Amino acid sequence: GAVVSQHPSRVICKSGTSVKIECRSLDFQATTMFWYRQFPKQSLMLMATSNEGSKATYEQGVEKDKFLINHASLTLSTLTVTSAHPEDSSFYICSAPPARGGEKLFFGSGTQLSVL
Amino acid sequence: QQQVKQSPQSLIVQKGGISIINCAYENTAFDYFPWYQQFPGKGPALLIAIRPDVSEKKEGRFTISFNKSAKQFSLHIMDSQPGDSATYFCAALGNSGSRLTFGEGTQLTVNP
Repeated sequence: GAVVSQHPSRVICKSGTSVKIECRSLDFQATTMFWYRQFPKQSLMLMATSNEGSKATYEQGVEKDKFLINHASLTLSTLTVTSAHPEDSSFYICSAPPARGGEKLFFGSGTQLSVL
Repeated sequence: QQQVKQSPQSLIVQKGGISIINCAYENTAFDYFPWYQQFPGKGPALLIAIRPDVSEKKEGRFTISFNKSAKQFSLHIMDSQPGDSATYFCAALGNSGSRLTFGEGTQLTVNP
C-alpha cells in the first residue's frame, strides 16, 4: 500500500529554536497533506491542510506564522515549528490522500517534539 | 457542528473476550466511517471502514455495526488479544475533501 514517510520520529530542542518536520509520499503523488497535532491521551486535532503549489489552509486558532507549512512538490510537505516553546511539545502527524482523492488517508509515523 | 462522540474512554478486556467501542455522530452529510488503530508513538493505521448503505462489515476479528437512523456505529473486536492493546479512534468523513473528524479515542487494554 501507499506509504507516507515522516521524519524525524523524535526531536528534542531548546526553547526558541525552530524545528522542521518532513513528510514524503513514497509511491504516490500527494497534492494535499494534512497536519495533525496530538497531545497525550487525546485525539488528533487538524492543524492545517497543505496544497501543492499554494498556500496552506490553517484551522481556527492555529498560528500560521508559528507553524510554517510548505508543500513545494507532489511528494514533500514540511511543517516548521518556529521559535518553539515548551507548550508546543506534542506529537505531530501528517497524512495524505491519494492524488486522485478518495477516502483512504495514509498517515505518517508521527514526530514527537519535546521543547526544553 | 461536526462532531463524533466516542465511548468508552478506556476499556479493559480479558484475552478471548469481545471489545466493543461505540461512536455517535451528528452530521448527516458524513458518508464514510473508518476506524483507526494507534500504538504508542506511532501514527494511526486504518483498521476497517464502512459506508452508511450497509449495516455491518466484517474483516477477520473486526466488525463494524452501523445504525444510520440512530447515527451510531460501533467496533467489535472478537477474541481480543493482548496485541490488540492500543488506542482506537473512530472517524467520519463527508464531502469535504478527505477531512476526517475523529472521535476522542478509546484506550483498549487486553489482559493475558
